[in-house]
Amino acid sequence: DVKVTQSSRYLVKRTGEKVFLECVQDMDHENMFWYRQDPGLGLRLIYFSYDVKMKEKGDIPEGYSVSREKKERFSLILESASTNQTSMYLCASSLTGRFGNTIYFGEGSWLTVV
Amino acid sequence: AQSVTQLDSQVPVFEEAPVELRCNYSSSVSVYLFWYVQYPNQGLQLLLKYLSGSTLVKGINGFEAEFNKSQTSFHLRKPSVHISDTAEYFCAVTPNTGGFKTIFGAGTRLFVKA
Repeated sequence: DVKVTQSSRYLVKRTGEKVFLECVQDMDHENMFWYRQDPGLGLRLIYFSYDVKMKEKGDIPEGYSVSREKKERFSLILESASTNQTSMYLCASSLTGRFGNTIYFGEGSWLTVV
Repeated sequence: AQSVTQLDSQVPVFEEAPVELRCNYSSSVSVYLFWYVQYPNQGLQLLLKYLSGSTLVKGINGFEAEFNKSQTSFHLRKPSVHISDTAEYFCAVTPNTGGFKTIFGAGTRLFVKA
């Protein structure tokens, strides 16, 4: 069964802290994504990666960075957490972006910044 | 550029009643169309997708959707819902020209009441 695993389901961090959200997929997918989910706004793409060490900005990259050193692992970094980054973060993966491939999601990480 | 509009933010319905969740999209190129479902405290999973061919697409859990190109719609339907269908449903589009950008709607929360 396909699997995208996010290391932390619930986190509480203080304003100004550096936060790491880790994600691992076991499907040998080329593409990996980080989305942010907020009520009434749906899913907004923060960053995506189409290969190791490659990344592209999504719609809301400000305040975030990412790292992909291995094909199966994609990390989201909040350099200095702020209260407006309190949200649900979803990691996802897919095969190459052509042909309408399905996106597979992790269970999400709930981040609260206080 | 593409956009997705889910016309209802919340849909309450009684158990065993039929339901339709509406989705309209706009795009300057042809697209692939998806419906994803998110059960409480979980990530999203694919319900069904339209790539080409028959405009009526059947998915998991008895759901189906119909692609209407002239109305740029992809409405999701189920003839008889169960309590377990309570979830949030997301319509999404991906341009069929390749690339990595999947656009999600804001979501429709389906409440099934006993």
